[in-house]
Amino acid sequence: GQNIDQPTEMTATEGAIVQINCTYQTSGFNGLFWYQQHAGEAPTFLSYNVLDGLEEKGRFSSFLSRSKGYSYLLLKELQMKDSASYLCAPMDSNYQLIWGAGTKLIIKP
Amino acid sequence: GAVVSQHPSWVICKSGTSVKIECRSLDFQATTMFWYRQFPKQSLMLMATSNEGSKATYEQGVEKDKFLINHASLTLSTLTVTSAHPEDSSFYICSARDLASGYNEQFFGPGTRLTVL
Repeated sequence: GQNIDQPTEMTATEGAIVQINCTYQTSGFNGLFWYQQHAGEAPTFLSYNVLDGLEEKGRFSSFLSRSKGYSYLLLKELQMKDSASYLCAPMDSNYQLIWGAGTKLIIKP
Repeated sequence: GAVVSQHPSWVICKSGTSVKIECRSLDFQATTMFWYRQFPKQSLMLMATSNEGSKATYEQGVEKDKFLINHASLTLSTLTVTSAHPEDSSFYICSARDLASGYNEQFFGPGTRLTVL
């Protein structure tokens, strides 16, 4: 079956760094997306990894290891507005995104 | 970046009525659009995949006669919730795939919050 495993909730301090881990199992693989979703809003795109390694984009970086079925999202210099849910979504062989429940990130002053 | 709009943003209706939600890609052509439903504190649930000019592909457990999907053009897909009931109250989100992006990214609309009384 297809499965996504992320922590349900994480707490971090403003200005700090946090890493959100994701392990996945899918039928085939066509890359992995990270989305941010604020409460009551639709998801917004953060990053896409299709090859192994680290992709850096400003304060956010995403890492992928295909052999391990593992990815993480790294958020630096945390701001209060980063409080949201972060969704790890691998794409399967049918080019469909597989969604988990996401990780709710709480930023404290 | 690519923009997807949804209309209406929120809707309240009486039980038994039908509600139509529109999803538009504003600055790109979307051959594929996806319809999701999300209940509070739960993950996105794919309802159906809509391809322009053909019938939608529904996920298991989603009633195609209740959730009518039409994708008549490369920029517009509609979801009609027929004979809505309170249990259909949810956050409905569409997304569209931009072929020109080159890597299958899905761009999401802002969502439609449906409340059925």
